[in-house]
Amino acid sequence: GAVVSQHPSRVICKSGTSVKIECRSLDFQATTMFWYRQFPKQSLMLMATSNEGSKATYEQGVEKDKFLINHASLTLSTLTVTSAHPEDSSFYICSAAGLTQETQYFGPGTRLLVL
Amino acid sequence: EDKVVQSPLSLVVHEGDTVTLNCSYEVTNFRSLLWYKQEKKAPTFLFMLTSSGIEKKSGRLSSILDKKELFSILNITATQTGDSAIYLCAVAAFFNAGNNRKLIWGLGTSLAVNP
Repeated sequence: GAVVSQHPSRVICKSGTSVKIECRSLDFQATTMFWYRQFPKQSLMLMATSNEGSKATYEQGVEKDKFLINHASLTLSTLTVTSAHPEDSSFYICSAAGLTQETQYFGPGTRLLVL
Repeated sequence: EDKVVQSPLSLVVHEGDTVTLNCSYEVTNFRSLLWYKQEKKAPTFLFMLTSSGIEKKSGRLSSILDKKELFSILNITATQTGDSAIYLCAVAAFFNAGNNRKLIWGLGTSLAVNP
């Protein structure tokens, strides 16, 4: 299957700082990228969907100004958690899909801990 | 409201047993049903099903979809300790006129295979 990488894999930061997470599709062009968060023992929660070159579509309840998504190229999307707070601590996972969007391939995830 | 329901939520078996995991759904604009395996990190893709009655097989894992009764099953034969994981079911549905799809996730079945 296709390979998706995420960086960093783990980050610890102080409250009030911003954290950027990168998601890259390594061997295919990702027309669409998805950002999820997952709390312990819960299922994946879709945060937003981004198409290359256009604004992301956010799910209800997800603050656009807090979770900034940029999808500037067909292989890279970034999620920036601005002014992070301890309640933002979670496991953030990106996935990427090609033109037909039939299957999403997931990155390994980023574990964020805000102190 | 679209929903995906998996059962059981948790299962403990012995090595060598056969298990059947269930996924039922009520989703408008259904496109496909996907199974993923999640161990400690992000989900890894197992199967995508779009047509009823056609079994997909990969080693000891197999899956089938029934679009009339709106469910899918994932079978694992001769289970091994390495099969211990959370198995997630997701349904891909169209969500806007632009042919974009999103995944609606079940809560997963936590499988533990004891030696």
